[in-house]
Amino acid sequence: EAQVTQNPRYLITVTGKKLTVTCSQNMNHEYMSWYRQDPGLGLRQIYYSMNVEVTDKGDVPEGYKVSRKEKRNFPLILESPSPNQTSLYFCASSPPYQETQYFGPGTRLLVL
Amino acid sequence: AQTVTQSQPEMSVQEAETVTLSCTYDTSESNYYLFWYKQPPSRQMILVIRQEAYKQQNATENRFSVNFQKAAKSFSLKISDSQLGDTAMYFCAFMKQSSFGGYQKVTFGTGTKLQVIP
Repeated sequence: EAQVTQNPRYLITVTGKKLTVTCSQNMNHEYMSWYRQDPGLGLRQIYYSMNVEVTDKGDVPEGYKVSRKEKRNFPLILESPSPNQTSLYFCASSPPYQETQYFGPGTRLLVL
Repeated sequence: AQTVTQSQPEMSVQEAETVTLSCTYDTSESNYYLFWYKQPPSRQMILVIRQEAYKQQNATENRFSVNFQKAAKSFSLKISDSQLGDTAMYFCAFMKQSSFGGYQKVTFGTGTKLQVIP
């Protein structure tokens, strides 16, 4: 089944404890992206990647890191999480020359 | 930078009636894509409909259609024959067309929560 998977789906952590949210797609898509969703703010793009080793900042990249070493994986790294990073996170992917994004199920993160 | 505005935080509609959700955007780009996404209580993001800016014809997908007014930078979504399963948050989104294919930055609106009343 073609899909975008995220792990974990739910995570509670404490301030300053490094964490990684994984994102994987099995559709051989070149483009991948991370978003965060907060009440009243909609979805905001954190980082996106156009291909392996090619990444760029979205609108809210502060406090996040990404890497794209393989086409299928695009992990989101929070080196030192803070409570203002409590949010619902979505990963998405898109095939080349197509603009339609396929979204993962979301990861709900709570930083205490 | 692009901005997307959804001025209706919440709306309601009677089952089987028609409802229109509004979206306006601001951009200096001439080539771009516009989308409406649906997010039901499950939180899954589901593409409802998309529109290429270079196409004058409004996109239609079954009961869903858009009114795309490029000069006015308006992109409203009309849902006909509303069903209970249409209850969800609806997001309007803008994507600049990349010269090399695929997508780059994407900007979402803040969403409209639609409630379909039986």
